[in-house]
Amino acid sequence: ELKVEQNPLFLSMQEGKNYTIYCNYSTTSDRLYWYRQDPGKSLESLFVLLSNGAVKQEGRLMASLDTKARLSTLHITAAVHDLSATYFCAVKNSNSGYALNFGKGTSLLVTP
Amino acid sequence: GAVVSQHPSRVICKSGTSVKIECRSLDFQATTMFWYRQFPKQSLMLMATSNEGSKATYEQGVEKDKFLINHASLTLSTLTVTSAHPEDSSFYICSASGQDRETQYFGPGTRLLVL
Repeated sequence: ELKVEQNPLFLSMQEGKNYTIYCNYSTTSDRLYWYRQDPGKSLESLFVLLSNGAVKQEGRLMASLDTKARLSTLHITAAVHDLSATYFCAVKNSNSGYALNFGKGTSLLVTP
Repeated sequence: GAVVSQHPSRVICKSGTSVKIECRSLDFQATTMFWYRQFPKQSLMLMATSNEGSKATYEQGVEKDKFLINHASLTLSTLTVTSAHPEDSSFYICSASGQDRETQYFGPGTRLLVL
């Protein structure tokens, strides 16, 4: 069974600080996705990481993928309040028609 | 990017009734559509995978006779919750992918409340 684990599940951080969210998964995969979800809304795609060593950056967020360690990170630089949301990582599951297995999500709150 | 719509966005129904949720890919042909369910403050859980013109594949624990999925065309999949009960109240999100299966495009979700 493909398992996807995120940590931390809850994160409260001050504006201006840096932090990293971790995503581990249990089986071989070279496709990892990061999504953002605001309360009551659907998912917004942030990053698609397609190969080992992939690094992508958008604004204050940077995601990386290490397929050998089965680990992805989402790094937040100089957090601002607008980044408050829940962040999910997901891995494609070839046993389920390429559906996504999601982590439990990291609920991020950025405070002044 | 590709757009996926869902209708309705919110629905309130009485226990025992059936509710149909539509998922449409607006500007691409969706070979595969996925239905997820998300309970409050939890992650998304895959319910079923549907391919156009064939029967849906349900995940373990999801009753196929209760959650009827029809994927009659390359742009439309429907999920019907039959004989809904309060415990079916949830946020239902569909996603769609094209032939390359690389990217899934998520719909805006349907919030179902069963009284």
